[in-house]
Amino acid sequence: ILNVEQSPQSLHVQEGDSTNFTCSFPSSNFYALHWYRWETAKSPEALFVMTLNGDEKKKGRISATLNTKEGYSYLYIKGSQPEDSATYLCAFMGKAAGNKLTFGGGTRVLVKP
Amino acid sequence: EPEVTQTPSHQVTQMGQEVILRCVPISNHLYFYWYRQILGQKVEFLVSFYNNEISEKSEIFDDQFSVERPDGSNFTLKIRSTKLEDSAMYFCASSGQGPNTEAFFGQGTRLTVV
Repeated sequence: ILNVEQSPQSLHVQEGDSTNFTCSFPSSNFYALHWYRWETAKSPEALFVMTLNGDEKKKGRISATLNTKEGYSYLYIKGSQPEDSATYLCAFMGKAAGNKLTFGGGTRVLVKP
Repeated sequence: EPEVTQTPSHQVTQMGQEVILRCVPISNHLYFYWYRQILGQKVEFLVSFYNNEISEKSEIFDDQFSVERPDGSNFTLKIRSTKLEDSAMYFCASSGQGPNTEAFFGQGTRLTVV
């Protein structure tokens, strides 16, 4: 059974502050790591798909890093805004997994004005 | 922007009944998936479908479940003889080929078995 864990489970951030949270995943058989942003009553929306060790990706104020050797990824939000409030999910894809994603439990971010 | 659509958004069914959850994936995508999230738990994989057949399924996806792509656009999940523990949010997703392509998710169908 693959273990994909995210921490913390939830965090409160003051508007304007920066924050980050982690996703840990198996370091063997790695193929890709996905990050999704999921707002209540909406579809999970892909943020990043990361495949290479040392990869860094950025989308506006959100960025992510990847360490496949030690099995972790960080997601950073710079200058948090209320619209960043959402659950952030990471999902691991292993080799020969048929594109199947194994999800972490999510980090629920609440940005307070 | 293309999107995955799911119907219905909410379904309530009696234990033992059959339900069909419907999805319209993005038209040029090749892989189709069903995931579910039981309240308070992680999103979990059920099945992937490629080239008109199941490419992988989880141990949850037993004989009670089946998937079909009856025409060129719809992708359905059938749950026979529903149980209380089948209550969950069911998500359909689709993706292009390759591990570096993102999956696009629908908004989900909330299934409540009573």
